[in-house]
Amino acid sequence: DVQLTQTPSTLSASVGDRVTITCRASQSINTWLAWYQQRPGKAPKLLISEASILESGVPSRFRGSGSGTEFTLTISSLQPDDFATYYCHNHNDYWTFGQGTKVEVK
Amino acid sequence: QVQLVQSGAEMKKPGASVKVSCKASGYTFTSYGMHWVRQAPGQRPEWMGWINTGKGNTKYAPMFQGRVTFTTDPSAGVVYLEHSGLTSEDTAVFYCVRMRGSYVLDSWGQGTLVTVSS
Repeated sequence: DVQLTQTPSTLSASVGDRVTITCRASQSINTWLAWYQQRPGKAPKLLISEASILESGVPSRFRGSGSGTEFTLTISSLQPDDFATYYCHNHNDYWTFGQGTKVEVK
Repeated sequence: QVQLVQSGAEMKKPGASVKVSCKASGYTFTSYGMHWVRQAPGQRPEWMGWINTGKGNTKYAPMFQGRVTFTTDPSAGVVYLEHSGLTSEDTAVFYCVRMRGSYVLDSWGQGTLVTVSS
């Protein structure tokens, strides 16, 4: 099975900061990678699929990139609503998730 | 709009079984597969498997094989998760999640908390 490793596990940042989260796959997954945002007590929300396709309604400050085994999620200017946990996710065959990155207030 | 509405929270004793429902609306039910995802407290989501909502074909993740069963009722637009042999380690929120093209899990139910405790 594909294993996904996210770094960092926790990220302290301020409103307006540029934030980058990395997800590494244990083997090539082409661009079968999605990113989700999860707030406490809520279901995950799809932000990006196929590594870089922004979901309708998701702000353009979110950007996904990468292919193969290395992927990134970048938030260009962090907003108050963005403090949450982010998961990468392989959406093909066995649908595995990374361990998550919590973005917290610095 | 797409809506997935799940049944309410359950409290079960170890060894018991639970059945969780997920009712879909706002789209053609049988045109999309449905997945189930488990999330234990403070943990990452874990994929459990999925069901073809029209034909009933299933695929289970190895760690859940033999302990969970997915079924579908196309006439009612509902899928079910039945989980047997519950242990305290199965305490979690269970989500149904719609799969669209490119195998993307796009729409999530609100989640059903299952608490297993003696």
